[in-house]
Amino acid sequence: SQKIEQNSEALNIQEGKTATLTCNYTNYSPAYLQWYRQDPGRGPVFLLLIRENEKEKRKERLKVTFDTTLKQSLFHITASQPADSATYLCAHTDKLIFGTGTRLQVFP
Amino acid sequence: KAGVTQTPRYLIKTRGQQVTLSCSPISGHRSVSWYQQTPGQGLQFLFEYFSETQRNKGNFPGRFSGRQFSNSRSEMNVSTLELGDSALYLCASSTGQGGSDTQYFGPGTRLTVL
Repeated sequence: SQKIEQNSEALNIQEGKTATLTCNYTNYSPAYLQWYRQDPGRGPVFLLLIRENEKEKRKERLKVTFDTTLKQSLFHITASQPADSATYLCAHTDKLIFGTGTRLQVFP
Repeated sequence: KAGVTQTPRYLIKTRGQQVTLSCSPISGHRSVSWYQQTPGQGLQFLFEYFSETQRNKGNFPGRFSGRQFSNSRSEMNVSTLELGDSALYLCASSTGQGGSDTQYFGPGTRLTVL
């Protein structure tokens, strides 16, 4: 069955460093991948979309890459801040399949 | 535009009861999707409605059902509640144009089954 895996349940990094989150997919080739942020007790909020023919997408301190050979997307937050602490979800929105998320904690 | 709203926000039921949750999408959005979120399983897709028709369905038992009205508002029903149905239920709306659509989520309904 189609599946998205985010292989880190939690990631702790120091403020100012770059956080890198990984999303792997199996058994299909999505045309799009999306990344969302979810804060406790709230619904996910859209951050970025990347298409299969795009290698990289940027938005302010966020960067997403899409490697169709490795079947992987990487999500980077540069110059991380404590306010970036949240759970980050990747999603194959063609099929409305979400990964289980990576909980990022940025400490001062 | 007003965001996606969900009612009620919190609900406590007992095993065997049934429950109906409501979702009002962003104005102009024709697609509404429902998800169940639990700590162990993450965000799992229940079903999607587009123009009053179920367009996609996840792998949940028939106790979970939904519908969409002509104004795009949607309801989700769970019958014969089980303890394992305790979860955060999220709905999301979108224009329904396809995989590049952004999903706009509501705040969720926290269901506790005792």
